[in-house]
Amino acid sequence: KAGVTQTPRYLIKTRGQQVTLSCSPISGHRSVSWYQQTPGQGLQFLFEYFSETQRNKGNFPGRFSGRQFSNSRSEMNVSTLELGDSALYLCASGRWEVSDTQYFGPGTRLTVL
Amino acid sequence: GIQVEQSPPDLILQEGANSTLRCNFSDSVNNLQWFHQNPWGQLINLFYIPSGTKQNGRLSATTVATERYSLLYISSSQTTDSGVYFCAVEQSNTGKLIFGQGTTLQVKP
Repeated sequence: KAGVTQTPRYLIKTRGQQVTLSCSPISGHRSVSWYQQTPGQGLQFLFEYFSETQRNKGNFPGRFSGRQFSNSRSEMNVSTLELGDSALYLCASGRWEVSDTQYFGPGTRLTVL
Repeated sequence: GIQVEQSPPDLILQEGANSTLRCNFSDSVNNLQWFHQNPWGQLINLFYIPSGTKQNGRLSATTVATERYSLLYISSSQTTDSGVYFCAVEQSNTGKLIFGQGTTLQVKP
C-alpha cells in the first residue's frame, strides 16, 4: 500500500506570493491533517479535513486555508506569504480521525525570500 | 491548552547503549503516539499507545495515563536510531494532535 505523498517536495517563493501544497493520503484513509514545523515553534497543528469538510482548526491566521476533494486528496493554500511562513509543511492521514494512528508524508519544505 | 513536555531535550549515546525518553502531559488524553523523525524530515509512527505497554523489536513504550506520562525505551541503540523523537497527544475530543518539543538523539558508532 502506497504511503502518504506530498507535492512538491521543495518550494521557493517570495514575500506576497501565494502557494498551494498537495497531499494524497493512504488509500482508504479519509482524515487528512496538516502541520507546520519550524525550529522555533516545533510541530503545530494547522487543520484537519474529513469527507471534504474542515473538522478542526489550529491557531493560524486566515491566510492559511485548505480543502479536501472527494477522493480524500487535500490541498493547503497560503496567501500573501511572509518570511515567517518558511517551514516544513507535513500532512498526515488517518483512517477516520486524528485519534487513529497517524501516517505522515515526507513534507514540503517552503522557503520564503 | 494541554502542555506536552519531553525530556531530555538532547541525548548522545554510544552504539549499543540503552536509553529512556520521557513524555509528560498536563491533562487527560485519549490518544498518545510516538514518532521518529529522520534526518530527512520524515515522521515515522512508532507506537499508538494511549495506555499500557507495547513492544516492537528493540523499541518499547509504556503509558501510565493516570499519572500523565509515557516512556519510550530504546535498547541496543544503532546509528540509524539517530533523529528526533516526538510524542504527540490528543486531548479528549479536540481532534488535534499536540506535539512535544522532541528529544534529539545522536547515536555514535
